[in-house]
Amino acid sequence: GESVGLHLPTLSVQEGDNSIINCAYSNSASDYFIWYKQESGKGPQFIIDIRSNMDKRQGQRVTVLLNKTVKHLSLQIAATQPGDSAVYFCAEADGGATNKLIFGTGTLLAVQP
Amino acid sequence: DTAVSQTPKYLVTQMGNDKSIKCEQNLGHDTMYWYKQDSKKFLKIMFSYNNKELIINETVPNRFSPKSPDKAHLNLHINSLELGDSAVYFCASSREGGQPQHFGDGTRLSIL
Repeated sequence: GESVGLHLPTLSVQEGDNSIINCAYSNSASDYFIWYKQESGKGPQFIIDIRSNMDKRQGQRVTVLLNKTVKHLSLQIAATQPGDSAVYFCAEADGGATNKLIFGTGTLLAVQP
Repeated sequence: DTAVSQTPKYLVTQMGNDKSIKCEQNLGHDTMYWYKQDSKKFLKIMFSYNNKELIINETVPNRFSPKSPDKAHLNLHINSLELGDSAVYFCASSREGGQPQHFGDGTRLSIL
């Protein structure tokens, strides 16, 4: 299948549990951060974003936390469901006119029924 | 309605050929992008256009040439295809900086 030979960091959780996916970013000048979900055979799908003047933002079942001191971003998914199984990417941008996104390596979330 | 659509979805061709991938967005966005995703799922920006003007041009071989006939379309032409060009190519669009980019479902390019 598509994942043969793919060695992404993997997070395995039980259905109904909460998931936390972590990301370290590289550029202290980055001021815009975004999480994407990518299902097999699909493009990255926007989940939630946060700007550097905030340290927490909540959406539906998802929360993003930003710690600028240690350049760390996390995505929390409440009551994880089988449909949440996918690869999750964080990305950072410096907020300039180009809106250039730098993507992290991705984390595979596997939800066990 | 598909917001960002790419064609073709699959492209299988021989080394040395020239091919094009097309992208269209109906979101009214001013900025469009091309990304390359390798076999390890690593996503990297290649090009970006804002209102038909090139604003990002990463270190990409000049065999790759983007063309934006209008702000709703951004096509990617690749000359003299090489084995290392095998990847999934994603088109995306966004409003101005600091806004989410919306991605198409990708074109899987396989070079034989």
